[in-house]
Amino acid sequence: DVVLTQTPVSLLISLGGQASISCRSSQSLVHSNGNTYLHWYLQKPGQSPQLLIYQVSNRFSGIPDRFSGSGSGTDFTLKISRVEPEDLGVYYCLQRTHNPWTFGGGTKLELK
Amino acid sequence: QVQLKESGPVLVQASETLSLTCTVSGFSLTNYGVIWVRQPPGKGLEWMGIIWRNGNTDYNSALKSRLSINRDTSKSQVFLKMNSLQTDDTAIYYCTRDRGPPGWYFDFWGPGTMVTVSS
Repeated sequence: DVVLTQTPVSLLISLGGQASISCRSSQSLVHSNGNTYLHWYLQKPGQSPQLLIYQVSNRFSGIPDRFSGSGSGTDFTLKISRVEPEDLGVYYCLQRTHNPWTFGGGTKLELK
Repeated sequence: QVQLKESGPVLVQASETLSLTCTVSGFSLTNYGVIWVRQPPGKGLEWMGIIWRNGNTDYNSALKSRLSINRDTSKSQVFLKMNSLQTDDTAIYYCTRDRGPPGWYFDFWGPGTMVTVSS
């Protein structure tokens, strides 16, 4: 199975600051069709996950441009600029290139 | 609007079978797949399986021997059954919609239902 390793496990960020989360895969996430199915989710406290970014760098509907995704192959990054209180929670990457689909272990974003 | 909602027992005895229902609205099960994901308390997310829009299914190999997913399109419901439950099956169980091509992401999620497996 593909293992996604997220770092750091937790992040302390000041309001208005910038956060960067890494997601590294145990194997390439490039599908045989040439696409990369690496997505990012945020799970706010007590809520179900919500989609932020799909296919590495595409913001989902309604997601502000403070959120950006990048990367290729096995290394991916989610950046959050100008952190706001509603950004707090646990961020997960998800790969859907290889079966079984797997999630990273999560990164908890907290306010400093 | 698109909505999904899980329902089922809160408490199940070990070795028994879990039956959950995901009731959807705002879309047709013949146009979108539905996925089950679970999350043990305080832990991460695990993909369990999918029922595709054509009714075919795929399961996580770790659960395949115990898991089945089917549906009733006329009632807009998807059913999860998992047998031989153990205490480490205690989790929040979510159903989520499969967006399908080209993005292949899970877009809308239900609020989840907490299931405790008691020994």
